[in-house]
Formats: sequence, structure tokens, C-alpha cells
Amino acid sequence: AQSVAQPEDQVNVAEGNPLTVKCTYSVSGNPYLFWYVQYPNRGLQFLLKYITGDNLVKGSYGFEAEFNKSQTSFHLKKPSALVSDSALYFCAVRDSNFGNEKLTFGTGTRLTIIP
Amino acid sequence: EPEVTQTPSHQVTQMGQEVILRCVPISNHLYFYWYRQILGQKVEFLVSFYNNEISEKSEIFDDQFSVERPDGSNFTLKIRSTKLEDSAMYFCASKRDSNTGELFFGEGSRLTVL
Repeated sequence: AQSVAQPEDQVNVAEGNPLTVKCTYSVSGNPYLFWYVQYPNRGLQFLLKYITGDNLVKGSYGFEAEFNKSQTSFHLKKPSALVSDSALYFCAVRDSNFGNEKLTFGTGTRLTIIP
Repeated sequence: EPEVTQTPSHQVTQMGQEVILRCVPISNHLYFYWYRQILGQKVEFLVSFYNNEISEKSEIFDDQFSVERPDGSNFTLKIRSTKLEDSAMYFCASKRDSNTGELFFGEGSRLTVL
């Protein structure tokens, strides 16, 4: 079975400060990990993914995430937050086993950037 | 930039009625999905579809649900007899690569069952 935990329902950060949105996962095989962002009344928008290779992956809008196998984590980070980063963020995992098409999402973290 | 489009954006129906939600995936994508998000809850996998057949489905996707790709461009989700608990936002998604590709989601269809 595969699962994702986002331990924080809400994260508040002052504009210009660094931000971190936490994610931990559980899979039986190797993980494929994704971050998506959802703006109000919109669909899910892909930010970045980890498949293999460098543990630090860079994505859209200045976001990056670090894969940590020993801690089974994939935290989303940004060095300097913008008010426009305020949105709902979802971490997702898929076990790399062939034939597994199911992407499992976390419960989401609402990020609010305070001007 | 190509995108996944969904119609209708919002549908209100009576319990027991049939509903069809429509999606046009990105044109060169081969893998298609439906997810749903009950208000305030997490995004849940319903079904995946490849090569004109279901490749995987969740326990939510029971006999009341079906999917179809009738004409090579549309991808539909049918709910035969809607229940109150089917009220949710339904997202269609597609991807090109079989293994490592990311999903591209539509804007969603909000279904309200009364």
C-alpha cells in the first residue's frame, strides 16, 4: 500500500521569508513523488517531481523539494515567499512498481503568505 | 499550452439520476484518469484508462461508475444512479508517459446531488 502524510493543515509565512511544506510517504517499492498546487476553484497544477537522480529537484515558480530516503520525506521549499504563493499544496506518491497507475495524494496544506 | 478541458463546470442533479461528465485530454496523451475531491477532503483516485480499457480502479469505482473513450478525443465518466455522497469535484487527468510522467489535470466538474 502507498500513503502520504502532510502533517500541517495550515502554514503561515511572512512574505520574503523562506517556506517549507512538509510531506512524508510510505511505499513498498521505490517512490515517484510529486507536488501539485491548487488555487481556488481551479484544478491541480503540477509543480515538480522526483523520479530518480539528484535528491534536490527544482520546479515551477522557484519551488524546490528535497527527497530524503532515510526519512521518507519530500518537503517542498522556497527561499523567499510571495503573496501569490498562497494556495493549497498537495504532495502525492506513486509506487514505481510496473502496472501501478494510482497516484495517492496527501490531505493538502493550505499555505498563506502574509504581506 | 495544451490543457485538459472538462464539461460541465457545475452540474446539479437529483438523487438517482444518471450523470455524464466529459473530458478532452491533451491530444498526444495516452493515459487517462478520473479523480474526485469531496469538499474539504483529499483528492482520491477513481480509475485509470489506457488502450481503451480500464487499467486500474479504486474501491470507490463500483458498478455505478463507468468510463468510456467513445471517439478518440473525449473521455467520459458516467454515474448511473447518483447518490448524495457522490457530490464532489471530479477531476479528469491525462499523461503521455507510462511510468514517470506527471499528470495534467482539468479544472474539474463540480457535481451536486440533491
